[in-house]
Amino acid sequence: KAGVTQTPRYLIKTRGQQVTLSCSPISGHRSVSWYQQTPGQGLQFLFEYFSETQRNKGNFPGRFSGRQFSNSRSEMNVSTLELGDSALYLCASSSQVNSGNTIYFGEGSWLTVV
Amino acid sequence: EDQVTQSPEALRLQEGESSSLNCSYTVSGLRGLFWYRQDPGKGPEFLFTLYSAGEEKEKERLKATLTKKESFLHITAPKPEDSATYLCAVQAGTGNQFYFGTGTSLTVIP
Repeated sequence: KAGVTQTPRYLIKTRGQQVTLSCSPISGHRSVSWYQQTPGQGLQFLFEYFSETQRNKGNFPGRFSGRQFSNSRSEMNVSTLELGDSALYLCASSSQVNSGNTIYFGEGSWLTVV
Repeated sequence: EDQVTQSPEALRLQEGESSSLNCSYTVSGLRGLFWYRQDPGKGPEFLFTLYSAGEEKEKERLKATLTKKESFLHITAPKPEDSATYLCAVQAGTGNQFYFGTGTSLTVIP
């Protein structure tokens, strides 16, 4: 069974540009969540989608947005990039949103903003 | 405020030297505590889920335990391939929002 797939794996963008990252969840998983990982802050929750609806959102500015498609694939977008947006962006999927349901991570997308 | 704290930040062990990693948490309505392993440049890999105080889970050289305020990841006779960052996370509130600690970086020296 294929795991969570994220594309692209690495990218470099210029400050002020925008970026779109893609995530394909494990087959059959309908919940997708996104996290930002930086050396100083660890993993920070961005948002979660289930059946194309955003269920939860973390404490990030509106420049960070996401969506989920009918096939459960998800994208996140960051507009007007800042140097501080450089991070590893991780997507995780889960079969449900019930209590104690495990989330499984992809390998992440490394974003460098210059 | 919901919070997860891991200690120590870094740990160096000789091969075969057993030790424990700590994860303390202050959250309302804990629904699950999770341990992940993360290798450099990769996404976190799921290890264990614990749901209630007193619960224990084992996998090879790793054993996770849970109390009402903290969890321990015990590593018995570690090998160099156990070197990684170990992340603790708690699930609280609604949905699948997880709160992560900043991790313990483990290095096992041959």
